[in-house]
Amino acid sequence: AQKVTQAQTEISVVEKEDVTLDCVYETRDTTYYLFWYKQPPSGELVFLIRRNSFDEQNEISGRYSWNFQKSTSSFNFTITASQVVDSAVYFCALISSTLGRLYFGRGTQLTVWP
Amino acid sequence: EAGVAQSPRYKIIEKRQSVAFWCNPISGHATLYWYQQILGQGPKLLIQFQNNGVVDDSQLPKDRFSAERLKGVDSTLKIQPAKLEDSAVYLCASSLDRVGNTGELFFGEGSRLTVL
Repeated sequence: AQKVTQAQTEISVVEKEDVTLDCVYETRDTTYYLFWYKQPPSGELVFLIRRNSFDEQNEISGRYSWNFQKSTSSFNFTITASQVVDSAVYFCALISSTLGRLYFGRGTQLTVWP
Repeated sequence: EAGVAQSPRYKIIEKRQSVAFWCNPISGHATLYWYQQILGQGPKLLIQFQNNGVVDDSQLPKDRFSAERLKGVDSTLKIQPAKLEDSAVYLCASSLDRVGNTGELFFGEGSRLTVL
């Protein structure tokens, strides 16, 4: 079975604080992909990153960084020096090579206050 | 590059009525998806097309939902008759290839359905 758990329903921070969004996944497949998407108030989901199961290197893109740990089945997302424009719902998602269907977590609503 | 286009953005209907949503994917994208996003939940795949063929419709409630992509380009999702629990945002997405191969889906802004 494929499952993505985002335990944090809502997070509120003040601008310039760092924030980490947690994602824990379950899959029996050895080949799979993990994703993060951002959904701003406009409703359109925006792709942020994809990692495959064989690449555990952490990645940094500007203020965003991702920590992938197979040992704990986690793929956490950190925003450094958060900004008001980061306010959105963030979804973690998983696709396995056998099922080929993208499974989304329930999302984390991030609110950044000025 | 034009994004994924969807219409209408909003629709309010009464239960047992019918409704149709339209999606035009990004030009050249072979794969088209319809997702249902209920308030407070993540998107759930309803149906996936590869060109004009159905790849996965296992989570589509076929007694009331139907979808087609006749010419392998734009697509229509229909609900008939609608139930209260169908109130949701219907998201269309497209990708160059199957998402497991390319990794990135491009989403439209969605069509918000309210069933009264």
